[in-house]
Amino acid sequence: QVQLVESGGGLVKPGGSLRLSCVASGFTFSDYYMSWIRQTPGKGLEWVSSISSSGNTISYADSVKGRFTISRDNAKKSLCLQMDSLGAEDTADYHCVRGGRANFGFWGLGTPVTVSS
Amino acid sequence: QSALTQPRSVSGSPGQSVTISCTGGSSDVGGYNSVSWYHQQPGKAPKLLIYDVSKRPSGVPNRFSGSKSGNTASLTVSGLQAEDEADYYCCSSAGSNTFVFGTGTKVTVL
Repeated sequence: QVQLVESGGGLVKPGGSLRLSCVASGFTFSDYYMSWIRQTPGKGLEWVSSISSSGNTISYADSVKGRFTISRDNAKKSLCLQMDSLGAEDTADYHCVRGGRANFGFWGLGTPVTVSS
Repeated sequence: QSALTQPRSVSGSPGQSVTISCTGGSSDVGGYNSVSWYHQQPGKAPKLLIYDVSKRPSGVPNRFSGSKSGNTASLTVSGLQAEDEADYYCCSSAGSNTFVFGTGTKVTVL
């Protein structure tokens, strides 16, 4: 069955960095767009970034552009999100999601990120 | 990339139908036939219900249906069941391979 398992979340000080990872199983990873979507109790769901199956097409939300970098390793069936210059507004649960193009077909449970001094 | 507008809550009795609206503008909902809907039960990850405005993924009951008119998309849940009680979110393409979600709607089964 399809599984997406995120890791790398935690507590970080403002201005700090974190690297999130997601390992996929149960499907042909290299066939799919992959995305990161974050969720907060107050603001709901927010799309963060997507990457095409080959890695050639990448897009970011304006709120993270220039600070976050998405990448993938199809051989290792893994997706990463490098997050730099973190601020309180980045505090959220980050979901690894299979899909793009507004068709987010399968979601991981998420890894929590807290930005606080 | 402002969030799409959804009602904060809707409710219905078992067996009834409820409709959730999702209002954006010409740069998102009105400009693309790429609207999707998700529901999220407590403690679980969101699940895709509808994509491309009105298509259902395999395994999603036909009680769930989607439509769009102008800048507003809608999700209808027919034959409401207790397990339909959840948070519901819409999502739309917003151009340049970017996407925007709705504010979320809590569905309560009375």
